[in-house]
Order: sequence, then structure tokens, then C-alpha cells
Amino acid sequence: EVQLVESGGGLEQPGKSLTLSCVASEFTFNNFAMHWVRQAPGKGLEWVSGIDASGASLYADSVKGRFTISRDNARNSLYLHLNSLRVEDTAIYYCVKDRVRVLATIRGFGAALDIWGQGTTVTVSS
Amino acid sequence: SYELTQPPSVSVSPGQTASITCSGDNLQEKYVCWYQHKPGQSPVLVIYQDKKRPSGIPERFSGSNSDNTATLTISGTLAMDEADYYCQAWDNNIVVFGGGTKLTVL
Repeated sequence: EVQLVESGGGLEQPGKSLTLSCVASEFTFNNFAMHWVRQAPGKGLEWVSGIDASGASLYADSVKGRFTISRDNARNSLYLHLNSLRVEDTAIYYCVKDRVRVLATIRGFGAALDIWGQGTTVTVSS
Repeated sequence: SYELTQPPSVSVSPGQTASITCSGDNLQEKYVCWYQHKPGQSPVLVIYQDKKRPSGIPERFSGSNSDNTATLTISGTLAMDEADYYCQAWDNNIVVFGGGTKLTVL
């Protein structure tokens, strides 16, 4: 069964850092783009960042310059380094697989977030 | 920044057809995906590329996209379809989600 398992969430203070990890199984990890999507308490889904099969990345404006996405294809792993944490970063963070290997395909053709992990919770509070 | 607008809530009786809309500037020029999200569970992709169903998604789920509005249609709605539904598209190298629609089956 295709699976994504996140870890690394927890309680952290504003201004501190945290690294989330996601381990993929039962699919060829290095053939697909990957994303992080979050959901703050009582809010909707918010895309955070994506990385293509070759390592090129994109970020939402709300996290640009503070968060860094990376992947280790040899370890079938995706990471998100959260820096300069803010209270508004409190959310469930989902690791998500894309249907395609590249980001921002023309008009979004073929792209879709087709497999989601169970999520890991990040709480930012003093 | 690009916005996708969904109604906050939609109600439907069991066995009837539910339609959830998603509107955005020139949305018909983009491919739209739809996700189902039930409380305590992870989101599930139910429609991609406007109208394609992933393997395992029932035929009662269908999608369309024209005239700045994408629509998710659930025919013969079941109680198990009660969930939040989100539309999603790419714009200017950003993934954009709609605000979500709570579908109530009553």
C-alpha cells in the first residue's frame, strides 16, 4: 500500500525552528513531485511548499524565506525545515504526493495531490 | 493573489444530487482538482484535471469546468459523502485551494 508517514511535529516557541520528516513507501519516490499542505485549527487547507523530482522548489508567500523544503531520494524522504516560527504556523502539516514529477505544469495539466499522509501537528506558542 | 471561491455550506437529501461550485478568474483556463476531507482523516483526491476520477473513487462523483466556474457533482448522494470539499488549481507557480464547502447530507 502506498504510504506517507510524517514525523517531527510538536510544541515550539515563536522564533524557534523545527524540522518535519516524511517517509514514503510502496511507490518510486524519485519519480514524483512532493508537497507540504497544512490546515490550521478551524481553517481550510493551505499549500505550503512543493518540490519536483529533481529538487526544484516552490513556496507559498506566507512561508517564503522562513521554510525550506528538501528531499532525499535515496532515503525516500521529504523534509520541511520550519524557521522563525510564528503562532500562525500552528497547524496539521500533511506530506502529499503529486501525480506528476514536475511542478506548475502548464495550466496544472495532470497535476494533483493524490496521496496524503496522516499529518503531524505543529503548535507554536510561548 | 489568485482566489478560488466556494460556498461555505451545501445541504442535500440522501439519494439526491449535490453540486458544489468553485469560481475564479479565467478558471476554465486551468485544470481543477477536488478533495474530500472528513473529520479526523486525511484529504482524499476525488477529481483531477476537471473531470477525471482516480482509481477507487465512485462513479457518482463527477466534475466540470467552464465559464469561470468549476463544479463537483455528487449523484445519488450517500450519508458517507458528508464531508468538507475543497477545489484546487495552480496559478503563477502557486497551488491555490478554495475555502472549502461543508456538505451536509440530511
